[in-house]
Amino acid sequence: SQKIEQNSEALNIQEGKTATLTCNYTNYSPAYLQWYRQDPGRGPVFLLLIRENEKEKRKERLKVTFDTTLKQSLFHITASQPADSATYLCALGGYNKLIFGAGTRLAVHP
Amino acid sequence: EAGVVQSPRYKIIEKKQPVAFWCNPISGHNTLYWYRQNLGQGPELLIRYENEEAVDDSQLPKDRFSAERLKGVDSTLKIQPAELGDSAVYLCASSLGRTGGKETQYFGPGTRLLVL
Repeated sequence: SQKIEQNSEALNIQEGKTATLTCNYTNYSPAYLQWYRQDPGRGPVFLLLIRENEKEKRKERLKVTFDTTLKQSLFHITASQPADSATYLCALGGYNKLIFGAGTRLAVHP
Repeated sequence: EAGVVQSPRYKIIEKKQPVAFWCNPISGHNTLYWYRQNLGQGPELLIRYENEEAVDDSQLPKDRFSAERLKGVDSTLKIQPAELGDSAVYLCASSLGRTGGKETQYFGPGTRLLVL
């Protein structure tokens, strides 16, 4: 069955640094991959979508890479701020479905 | 523009009792999803509607769960009877088009269910 792995431990970084979150997957060939942000007590919020034929996508301080050979996506937040503290979920898309990872909690300290 | 609306936000019931959740998607969104999210996990799809048709309910435990989307707008998810293991957050999401998960999904705040 499909398996998605995201860092289970929280990522703690200092304000201003770049946060890098990892999403690895097995037994799946997604047509696209999405990243969502989820704050406590709220639903996930869409951030970025990258398709299988794209290597990199950027949006403001966010950057996503997608390596279908390694079966891995990296999510970067540059110049991180305390307001970026949240859980970040990756989701694999295809066959009209999204399969979510468990998420990685990011804490940005002043 | 209003986002996806869900109610109630919280529900505490005893096991074997019934419970229902309601969702109002973003206006004009044809596709509606119900997800269940357990603590520390990502959302898991229960059912997907295209307008009023349930096009993917393969993960819905049909012995106790049911859902409907009358008139292709609002939707209700019901559990009867509830079990302890049903304690979770139930998320509703909607999206614009007919290609399922390819577009952005907009999530509601969820209903947090606790079964005692």
